[in-house]
Amino acid sequence: GAVVSQHPSRVICKSGTSVKIECRSLDFQATTMFWYRQFPKQSLMLMATSNEGSKATYEQGVEKDKFLINHASLTLSTLTVTSAHPEDSSFYICSAGGTGNTGELFFGEGSRLTVL
Amino acid sequence: AQSVSQHNHHVILSEAASLELGCNYSYGGTVNLFWYVQYPGQHLQLLLKYFSGDPLVKGIKGFEAEFIKSKFSFNLRKPSVQWSDTAEYFCAPNFHSGSARQLTFGSGTQLTVLP
Repeated sequence: GAVVSQHPSRVICKSGTSVKIECRSLDFQATTMFWYRQFPKQSLMLMATSNEGSKATYEQGVEKDKFLINHASLTLSTLTVTSAHPEDSSFYICSAGGTGNTGELFFGEGSRLTVL
Repeated sequence: AQSVSQHNHHVILSEAASLELGCNYSYGGTVNLFWYVQYPGQHLQLLLKYFSGDPLVKGIKGFEAEFIKSKFSFNLRKPSVQWSDTAEYFCAPNFHSGSARQLTFGSGTQLTVLP
């Protein structure tokens, strides 16, 4: 299957700093990518839909100024957690779609963010 | 509003036991259904999917699922589990009212298979 890669896989930062997480589709072009957040022992919660060349669409309750998403190319979307606080500590996962409107989603390996 | 429910939070089985994980959804329109698996330390992978046609779909590693429209269910089954099936399993419908590829994830079921 297609490959989606995230970087970094783990990041530890101090409270108040910003952290950028990258999501790349390695062998296909993705006009749409999705960003999820997963709390321990819980399901994936969709945060936003990242659209290449346009503004991201955020889910209700997700602060767009807090979680900046940029999808500048067909193979790269970035999530920047601005002014991170300990409550932002979580596992962030991205995914990108396959062929067709209802195709399979391919997931990145996730990025574990710890804010001290 | 659309929703998905997985009834079993944690299932513990011995090797060779049969498995059935429940998944129910609430939505009146067309839905595509997916089961994803997350092995320890790995990223999510697709187990199987249903779009249309035969309601009994077969996936990787001997898994299958049956779509029962009247019950709004898409239960995952495997006749004989192995220790390597220990993982978290997510039911994820794609409700057509949203983004074409947007999935709604169930709460997940942690499966532990004892050797």
